[in-house]
Amino acid sequence: KQEVTQIPAALSVPEGENLVLNCSFTDSAIYNLQWFRQDPGKGLTSLLLIQSSQREQTSGRLNASLDKSSGRSTLYIAASQPGDSATYLCAVPTSGTYKYIFGTGTRLKVLA
Amino acid sequence: GAGVSQSPRYKVAKRGQDVALRCDPISGHVSLFWYQQALGQGPEFLTYFQNEAQLDKSGLPSDRFFAERPEGSVSTLKIQRTQQEDSAVYLCASARGMNTEAFFGQGTRLTVV
Repeated sequence: KQEVTQIPAALSVPEGENLVLNCSFTDSAIYNLQWFRQDPGKGLTSLLLIQSSQREQTSGRLNASLDKSSGRSTLYIAASQPGDSATYLCAVPTSGTYKYIFGTGTRLKVLA
Repeated sequence: GAGVSQSPRYKVAKRGQDVALRCDPISGHVSLFWYQQALGQGPEFLTYFQNEAQLDKSGLPSDRFFAERPEGSVSTLKIQRTQQEDSAVYLCASARGMNTEAFFGQGTRLTVV
């Protein structure tokens, strides 16, 4: 059974810092991994999708890496801004299926 | 449409009442998912449609939960005889196909009193 863990659960940093959010999963037989952002009371916004054949994806100040063999992904946020404050969730489909299993998220607060 | 649209955004139901939650996916998206998100938790899978076919309903918590997508576009999640433990945010997502990027709606926050 796929289990997804995100560390840390919460993070508070001053504006301008570079930071790394971690996601680990137990079943490495995945199709892809997707990172989402969720603002309070809102739905999920897709940030990056990494296919299983890829090692990393970049979008603006965001870079996500994937190491299937070790069951890990990291989301790197460069030069953090207060507008980055949100909960960040990673999700992987369970082996052989399309059902995304989510971690419980990292609550990020960037202080001005 | 531009994105996944869900309605209503908020729903308060008395215990025992039936509710229906609507999802309008992105036009042309084959895959449609429903998730349930409790406060402080990640979303949990409820059910999956490929076009009008419900291929997986293993996440539905009980037989009080029912989902349909009769024409392969709009989907409705129905909860009969609501209970307090049904209180959560219900999220809908659509994707062009399997193994493609999933896009989520804003969710419907259901509160059962």
